[in-house]
Order: sequence, then structure tokens, then C-alpha cells
Amino acid sequence: EVQLVQSGAEVKKPGESLKISCKGSGYSFTSYWIGWVRQMPGKGLEWMGIIYPGDSDTRYSPSFQGQVTISADKSISTAYLQWSSLKASDTAMYYCARPRSLGTGTSPFDPWGQGTLVTVSS
Amino acid sequence: DIQMTQSPSTLSASVGDRVTITCRASQSISRWLAWYQQKPGKAPKLLIYKASSLESGVPSRFSGSGSGTEFTLTISSLQPDDFANYHCQQYNSYPVTFGQGTKVEIK
Repeated sequence: EVQLVQSGAEVKKPGESLKISCKGSGYSFTSYWIGWVRQMPGKGLEWMGIIYPGDSDTRYSPSFQGQVTISADKSISTAYLQWSSLKASDTAMYYCARPRSLGTGTSPFDPWGQGTLVTVSS
Repeated sequence: DIQMTQSPSTLSASVGDRVTITCRASQSISRWLAWYQQKPGKAPKLLIYKASSLESGVPSRFSGSGSGTEFTLTISSLQPDDFANYHCQQYNSYPVTFGQGTKVEIK
């Protein structure tokens, strides 16, 4: 079974750093891109960016470029989303998701991780 | 970026109703459009890809149509399990973008 399992909920203060994870299993991790999607409370889905673990090729939405860092460690089949200095406005649910098609980042997402809730509050 | 505009934002309907949600792209995306269903506290679930292809396991009451800039998701006979949020997504080019979502609620 193809599965993405994300790390647990986080509560942080503004200015702190954070790295959340997404572990893939049941498929060839280096053959599929993995993307990240933000959902702020009560709002829609926002595509943040995507990485190809095979060669670490990464694409960002202009809205998130410079605000977050996407990385992957293919040795442990895990992708990461990282902030160096969190803001209250980063409070959201973050999903990782894998495109349904091999080798392309422009493909619908299926499956999705269960989500990681990040709360940033002083 | 390609902007995706969904309408309506909220739709009130009854069990058995035929429901249609529209998604418009700011430029042509051919048929590179997907629809997702999302229930509260859950990750989105892929329903339709390439504008009209039904994902495996999705009930046949769901259908999609359109090409270019205008697309629709239709639920032929709304069931209790269908009350949820629906999102369209273009994957024609980077950055991939979503519509703002449509909430289908009980009338």
C-alpha cells in the first residue's frame, strides 16, 4: 500500500525554526515527486512547492519562494518542509502529497499524508 | 500564475439533488484539471483527473467535463456522504494552483 506518514502536530513561538517530515512507503521514493500544500484555518488549498527526491530538483510557488525550504533524504524515504523563522501567519495544516503519475510534478495528487498542524503563537 | 476561480463558494442542496460546481482558469489549461473532495479534519481525496477521468473507487454519480478554461463537476444525485468541500486544481504548468473551494452543505 502506498502511504505518506507525516510528523506530529507542532506548537511554536514566532521566530522559532521548524522542520516537519513526510515519510513515503510502498513505492519507489526516488521515482515520484512529493509536494507540500498549505491549508490555513477555514481556507482553501495552496500549493507550496514540490521536490523530486531522485535528484533534489525543487520547484516553489512564488508565494512561498524564500519563505520555506523543501528537501528530501532519499536514504530514509522522507521529505521535509522547513522554516527558519516562523510567523503567526504560518499557523495552518500542512499536507504532503504524491503525484499519481511517475516522474512528473504536474500530476494530480494521490495519495496525501494525514496532515501536520502547525500552530505559531506567543 | 494561472488563477482558478470556483463558483459558487457555498451551495445548499438536498439529498437526491443534481449539483454542479464550476471552475474557471485564467488561461487555457487544456484538460489538465483535477477535482478533490475534502471532509472536515481529513486530507483531500482525488475524485477526477484530466477533467473527466474518474479515479478508481469513486462513485459514478460524480462526473467532470470541460476543457480550455471552463470546467464543471457534477454530482448526479447527492448522497449524505457527499456533503463536503470540493476543490479544483490545474496541473497544466508550475506553479500548480487550486481554486478557493466550494462547500456543499445540507439545505
